[in-house]
Amino acid sequence: DAGVIQSPRHEVTEMGQEVTLRCKPISGHNSLFWYRQTMMRGLELLIYFNNNVPIDDSGMPEDRFSAKMPNASFSTLKIQPSEPRDSAVYFCASRGGTSGNHEQYFGPGTRLTVT
Amino acid sequence: AQSVTQPDIHITVSEGASLELRCNYSYGATPYLFWYVQSPGQGLQLLLKYFSGDTLVQGIKGFEAEFKRSQSSFNLRKPSVHWSDAAEYFCAVGGTGNTPLVFGKGTRLSVIA
Repeated sequence: DAGVIQSPRHEVTEMGQEVTLRCKPISGHNSLFWYRQTMMRGLELLIYFNNNVPIDDSGMPEDRFSAKMPNASFSTLKIQPSEPRDSAVYFCASRGGTSGNHEQYFGPGTRLTVT
Repeated sequence: AQSVTQPDIHITVSEGASLELRCNYSYGATPYLFWYVQSPGQGLQLLLKYFSGDTLVQGIKGFEAEFKRSQSSFNLRKPSVHWSDAAEYFCAVGGTGNTPLVFGKGTRLSVIA
């Protein structure tokens, strides 16, 4: 299996631009998670989906952030408009199974820089 | 509510020395416990996990961890550290249902010659 796939790996954009991050979970996994990692705040859970349905988006920092999962093999995290403080590494993770004893598999991350 | 505490933000050890990274959790029932490692510029990789049974679990790269219910701890150990072990280490706890893992803030390990 190719693991969790994220694209792009690096994104540099100007303040005010729209940014879309993409994630392909491991085939057969039914949960998908979006995280943000910064030096100051560490690893933060932004939102997660079970069976393509958003369950908890309380970690999404502002209305500028939105996430979708149109099908079991694809999810997007969009920031519109982007701001310099959004600069971070964004990770996607997926998990199979329906109980807490299954590990989450992380993608390699997208490093976002907003200038 | 579940929570994970990693008391050490940064640890430095000499190559060849033993290592112990601390992790304490808060959870009402039997927890599912995990250790992940993140090398610079990489995603998080699972080192090992505990679900039940033997409280000493072995993982990849020569790591092991011991679950101690009485101390609510799940400390990570390695008898002899290699320079390539320099990374960030995260402890996590999983609960019931399909909820996300709860991660600690991580411990950064530096290895010196």
